Formats: sequence, C-alpha cells, structure tokens
Amino acid sequence: QKEVEQNSGPLSVPEGAIASLNCTYSDRVSQSFFWYRQYSGKSPELIMSIYSNGDKEDGRFTAQLNKASQYVSLLIRDSQPSDSATYLCAVNAVTGGGNKLTFGTGTQLKVEL
Amino acid sequence: KAGVTQTPRYLIKTRGQQVTLSCSPISGHRSVSWYQQTPGQGLQFLFEYFSETQRNKGNFPGRFSGRQFSNSRSEMNVSTLELGDSALYLCASGWDQDSPLHFGNGTRLTVT
Repeated sequence: QKEVEQNSGPLSVPEGAIASLNCTYSDRVSQSFFWYRQYSGKSPELIMSIYSNGDKEDGRFTAQLNKASQYVSLLIRDSQPSDSATYLCAVNAVTGGGNKLTFGTGTQLKVEL
Repeated sequence: KAGVTQTPRYLIKTRGQQVTLSCSPISGHRSVSWYQQTPGQGLQFLFEYFSETQRNKGNFPGRFSGRQFSNSRSEMNVSTLELGDSALYLCASGWDQDSPLHFGNGTRLTVT
C-alpha cells in the first residue's frame, strides 16, 4: 500500500476556474504536510506547508488538512495556464526527528484557455 | 538570497564507475536531504544530514552514501554504478525538522 496517494490525472480545468487537488496518507504520526509544484524538466518548487487541521491560505492557493481523515488538499483559485504542472503532495512522518518526506506520485494539472 | 546549488547539472558515467554529487544549501539551513527521482518510482528519499550527522536514511543499498561538512555543504556518492541509477538527484535544504524543504535544480545522472 502506497503511503501517500494522489490521483495522477491529468486534471483539466478551464482558465479562471478552481482546481482541487487531493492527497491521502497512511501514517497517522505524520506531522507536517507540503505541496510542491514541478514543471516538466524542472525541480520541485515549494508552494504550501501546513501543520494543523483546517485551512491555510496564501494568495490564490489554499491548503486544507484533516488529520482524522488523513487527507490533505490544495485549492488553486483563478487557475492560470502557468499553473499547468505536476503537483506533488509530501508528508513528513519521522518519529525520531528530522526530515524524511514521502511523496505522492503527483497530479498533473492542465489549465486550458 | 541564493537558493540550493547543486553541481554538476549533468553527468554521464559508465557502469561500474563511481560518482560524487555536490550540494550547497541555502545560507543558514542545516538540514540537507537527498532524493532520487525517476519516472517509474517518483521521488524517493535517500538520506538526510543535520550538523554533519546522518539523521535519517531511506531504503537504498549501501552503494549510496553521503556526508555533510561543517559549513552544511553536502556530498552524495554512488559507487559501482548500475544502469538503474540513472535518475535526477535532488538535494533539498531546510532549517530543521518539519521546516519546509527547498530543492536545488538537481543533477541529471545518466549511466551507460
């Protein structure tokens, strides 16, 4: 069983719409959660981090965390063609300290004109 | 503020050779992690260093090793290269545990 699961997509949304990306994780001791954006041929770029249940907003991005349901989501409002990329969900579940991110396989987002 | 710097950007090696990759973290970051990215396996954790000590290790064979220097710069070494080691190797740095990690541009390793 995969530890972090994402729908691989592609998820297609029209320009200006809200894109909703979802992620589930299996390890209940997970403490920190991150969303990265990766353009083709580039390295992952940090978009959001979230540590507590609820919503966290940053510009057009909102991360949502529900630890009881082991669910993390990313909403992108007013989607732009430049948002077309693969979005990676990452979870840090290290019990002994440190950073050991487990990544999902990513959801490919396509924003269409 | 400079980001994470990885060198070299590209490497072509032959099976059986060894390779050393270098990573300079963002100034002030003491946690340095290494990840391997392949189309089939995605992003997989190799190891993390903090204050010159390996703090966490992934499920890779002993051919993969690393170290961190007192200035937080890190190197990763792969010995006895195999074709399957062809991948994008990414370094990421952060302040400490649970802090967001920022990735470098990566080193693209091709083993022939």
